Amino acid sequence: AQSVTQLDSQVPVFEEAPVELRCNYSSSVSVYLFWYVQYPNQGLQLLLKYLSGSTLVKGINGFEAEFNKSQTSFHLRKPSVHISDTAEYFCAVSNMMDSNYQLIWGAGTKLIIKP
Amino acid sequence: GAGVSQSPSNKVTEKGKDVELRCDPISGHTALYWYRQSLGQGLEFLIYFQGNSAPDKSGLPSDRFSAERTGGSVSTLTIQRTQQEDSAVYLCASSLAGGFSETQYFGPGTRLLVL
Repeated sequence: AQSVTQLDSQVPVFEEAPVELRCNYSSSVSVYLFWYVQYPNQGLQLLLKYLSGSTLVKGINGFEAEFNKSQTSFHLRKPSVHISDTAEYFCAVSNMMDSNYQLIWGAGTKLIIKP
Repeated sequence: GAGVSQSPSNKVTEKGKDVELRCDPISGHTALYWYRQSLGQGLEFLIYFQGNSAPDKSGLPSDRFSAERTGGSVSTLTIQRTQQEDSAVYLCASSLAGGFSETQYFGPGTRLLVL
């Protein structure tokens, strides 16, 4: 069965510092990978996704993620965070064996920006 | 245009009562998803609609849960004889056609508390 692991439930970081949010997945088939973000009191929205091609994917708000097939990882990075990046970040994998097109989700990582 | 809307935003009910949660997807989106988000956990897939039909209902946690979609648009998730463990945020999402690579657009969720 597929699974997604987000290793850190919370990541505190100072404003303007770099950040990496980790995501690992397990799958026996090819996958599509997604990062969604949930800002306080808002709905989930897509940050970026990897479908094919370049393994480095750029998303909104200066975030990027790198797909590493050998390490089955899709870590999210930003070189300099802002207070407005405070949110919960979810990694998800598209289950290509499932005709429901459902996403398999990690438990989420709360990014806490310290002033 | 308008995004995915859900109602009510909050629902408090007593154990044993029935509740109905409503989702209005983005106009023109044929695929609709229901998820449950419990505290500190990722999203749990419940059910997927393509048009008015749900190919697989096995994601529903028990036979107390049911969902329908009418006119290829509005969907209702019904929980009968609610239990305290049903307390969670119920999220609805829609996508244009359904597919492994598609972005899902989420509503703000319904926060359900069963006393």
